[in-house]
Amino acid sequence: AQSVTQLDSQVPVFEEAPVELRCNYSSSVSVYLFWYVQYPNQGLQLLLKYLSGSTLVESINGFEAEFNKSQTSFHLRKPSVHISDTAEYFCAVKPAGNQFYFGTGTSLTVIP
Amino acid sequence: NAGVTQTPKFQVLKTGQSMTLQCAQDMNHEYMSWYRQDPGMGLRLIHYSVGAGITDQGEVPNGYNVSRSTTEDFPLRLLSAAPSQTSVYFCASSYSIENYGYTFGSGTRLTVV
Repeated sequence: AQSVTQLDSQVPVFEEAPVELRCNYSSSVSVYLFWYVQYPNQGLQLLLKYLSGSTLVESINGFEAEFNKSQTSFHLRKPSVHISDTAEYFCAVKPAGNQFYFGTGTSLTVIP
Repeated sequence: NAGVTQTPKFQVLKTGQSMTLQCAQDMNHEYMSWYRQDPGMGLRLIHYSVGAGITDQGEVPNGYNVSRSTTEDFPLRLLSAAPSQTSVYFCASSYSIENYGYTFGSGTRLTVV
């Protein structure tokens, strides 16, 4: 089975500083990759996805993620974070078949 | 508004009781899933369905049943609740999970005492 590793369970960062949330997955075969965000007491929302094509994908709120096939990684970055970015972030992988595999999540806290 | 609706939002059960978590979507999505979210373990798939009448087990199916009689509804049944089933449960649906990912409900927080 596929495994998804988010190495950092908690990431504190000062407002307007850059941030990187790391995600690695186990299989090098063809996969689809996703990042979801969960605000307190809410369900998960799709942030961005990689299906094919350009290895750099962007969200509407300034996040970006880069697919690196050789390193089986899909790290999430933002050059300047805001207080409103405080949330839990989940990396997810979908290999062939009908199942998604989620990481354990990274709690991003933006400090004023 | 269109989306995934889960009821109830909160529930406390006694060990051994049974109950059904409701999930409904009005987006005509074929694919629906149930996940449980536990601290430090992320989301784990319980059961999923690729269309009405078709269900399959996920990673942690024991103690749960599902059925899919309509496209809109995908209820999750706890047969005999155990404290280990204390968790937050999310229902999710998708038109095409490859292209669109999931739309998640707001969750049901279940406590089994």
